[in-house]
Amino acid sequence: AQSVSQHNHHVILSEAASLELGCNYSYGGTVNLFWYVQYPGQHLQLLLKYFSGDPLVKGIKGFEAEFIKSKFSFNLRKPSVQWSDTAEYFCAVNAYGRGPNKLIFGTGTLLAVQP
Amino acid sequence: DVKVTQSSRYLVKRTGEKVFLECVQDMDHENMFWYRQDPGLGLRLIYFSYDVKMKEKGDIPEGYSVSREKKERFSLILESASTNQTSMYLCASSLGTAQETQYFGPGTRLLVL
Repeated sequence: AQSVSQHNHHVILSEAASLELGCNYSYGGTVNLFWYVQYPGQHLQLLLKYFSGDPLVKGIKGFEAEFIKSKFSFNLRKPSVQWSDTAEYFCAVNAYGRGPNKLIFGTGTLLAVQP
Repeated sequence: DVKVTQSSRYLVKRTGEKVFLECVQDMDHENMFWYRQDPGLGLRLIYFSYDVKMKEKGDIPEGYSVSREKKERFSLILESASTNQTSMYLCASSLGTAQETQYFGPGTRLLVL
């Protein structure tokens, strides 16, 4: 079955530290990849997405992600985190053949940034 | 801005009750979705709809049904609520193609006693 793995369940960083959150998926065909973020008390919202072209994708608030097809990975990065990045981050995959826009979400990574 | 609203932020129901969760979007989106969000499990798709009166099962449809009589409204129904349906329920909508962003509502936290 298709699945998405986020290996880091909880991450604690100090402000200005660099961030990398892992995301791996299990599907050999064409995929669309997403990172969503849920700030405390807010709606889930899109951070960035990839569906074709340059595998390095830039999103909002200084986040970026790199699609590495050979590793089935789509890791999220930010060079210097801020306290306001404290949130839960979800990786999601839409695999062709699964149906239009049907996403499989990972289990989420809770990031806490200490001031 | 796309707006997805859900009828209740918090609900408390008793086992065996029929529960209706309503979702409305204002952007004329074709697709609408219902997820449940549980700690450590992420978001899991219950049902989705790609057009009025059309619906498809997601990954965990058991114990749920849906209704989409109008394009902007998508209802999730728990025919007979059970304690294991205590969860956060999220509604989302999107345009029709696979690359489109899903826009989420604020969620309904349901407690079944």
